[in-house]
Amino acid sequence: SQTIHQWPATLVQPVGSPLSLECTVEGTSNPNLYWYRQAAGRGLQLLFYSVGIGQISSEVPQNLSASRPQDRQFILSSKKLLLSDSGFYLCAWTALGVRGETFFGQGTRLTVV
Amino acid sequence: RKEVEQDPGPFNVPEGATVAFNCTYSNSASQSFFWYRQDCRKEPKLLMSVYSSGNEDGRFTAQLNRASQYISLLIRDSKLSDSATYLCVVNLNTGGFKTIFGAGTRLFVKA
Repeated sequence: SQTIHQWPATLVQPVGSPLSLECTVEGTSNPNLYWYRQAAGRGLQLLFYSVGIGQISSEVPQNLSASRPQDRQFILSSKKLLLSDSGFYLCAWTALGVRGETFFGQGTRLTVV
Repeated sequence: RKEVEQDPGPFNVPEGATVAFNCTYSNSASQSFFWYRQDCRKEPKLLMSVYSSGNEDGRFTAQLNRASQYISLLIRDSKLSDSATYLCVVNLNTGGFKTIFGAGTRLFVKA
């Protein structure tokens, strides 16, 4: 069965520090991968999606970047965090096929201080 | 206009009540539809797919109306544990696969 791992679960980082969040998927190949952010009490905001290795699409301009160095690995990064980068970050993958259900990692709660 | 719209609520209902959520989508090319549930400070999880003929899973019933471009979720005999945010999700395939999440409807079930 397919599983998705995302870490760390919580993170407190000072303003101006770098960020690296990692996500890996098991049990499937060539998944569509996503990074979402959710502010407190708000809906999901799509940040990046990837349909293959090295293929990254950005949905919104921001202080973040994403990379997909391997088929089942997706990384979210920042060189210098801002206070506004605080939020709940979710990695997700979409099942291939007609219906395309989305499955999420457990999320990383990032607080920039 | 948002691509997927939901009433944010909150819906406050007593245990045992029946509650219904609606969701509208704007793109007629939408192909597949889902309801997700998100508990506080947790990731969203798939609750159920929504099929054109309507489908039921225990106390939950989902309906799709393609002509009017809306989907619905009915929860019967509400339990305290049903308290959560319910997200409407639509998949598009318009030259590229795209998943769109509604902002969610909050439900509080009270004793």
